[in-house]
Amino acid sequence: KAGVTQTPRYLIKTRGQQVTLSCSPISGHRSVSWYQQTPGQGLQFLFEYFSETQRNKGNFPGRFSGRQFSNSRSEMNVSTLELGDSALYLCASSSTGPTNTEAFFGQGTRLTVV
Amino acid sequence: GIQVEQSPPDLILQEGANSTLRCNFSDSVNNLQWFHQNPWGQLINLFYIPSGTKQNGRLSATTVATERYSLLYISSSQTTDSGVYFCAPPSGSYQLTFGKGTKLSVIP
Repeated sequence: KAGVTQTPRYLIKTRGQQVTLSCSPISGHRSVSWYQQTPGQGLQFLFEYFSETQRNKGNFPGRFSGRQFSNSRSEMNVSTLELGDSALYLCASSSTGPTNTEAFFGQGTRLTVV
Repeated sequence: GIQVEQSPPDLILQEGANSTLRCNFSDSVNNLQWFHQNPWGQLINLFYIPSGTKQNGRLSATTVATERYSLLYISSSQTTDSGVYFCAPPSGSYQLTFGKGTKLSVIP
């Protein structure tokens, strides 16, 4: 069974640009969550999707958005990039949601904003 | 939301030594996960442990939900055990809350 796949693995973007990250969950999993990891703030929750519906969103500005497709794949978008958006972005998949089923993480996308 | 505290923040061990990592949380939980973050950043699942004790090789974990803590035991540590260990109970709706982690360094 394939694990959680995130693409791309590395990205370098310029301030002001936008970026789209992709996450393919484990087959059969319908919940996808996104987290941002920085040295200063640690691991912070961005949002969670289940069956194409956003069920929860963390405390991030509106520049951060996401969506989920009918095949459960998810994308997150960051517009008008700032230097502070440089981080490791991790995606997690679980069958019905991390509240009551085990979550599995992808390898992450490391975003550098210059 | 739930508060998660992990201790110690840093731990240096000689290869072969044993260790105990602690995770305290502020609210009752119905499950909890332990992860190991490897040097490349990936979070590797160690345990999904709502309560009781589980063992997997040299690692074991115990969660006492009523007392709001979980312990991760590493025995006969190896250099490949180095990295950051996180505990993560669910918080509110559909999210995990992570502690700041314990950074483990195992030296040969």
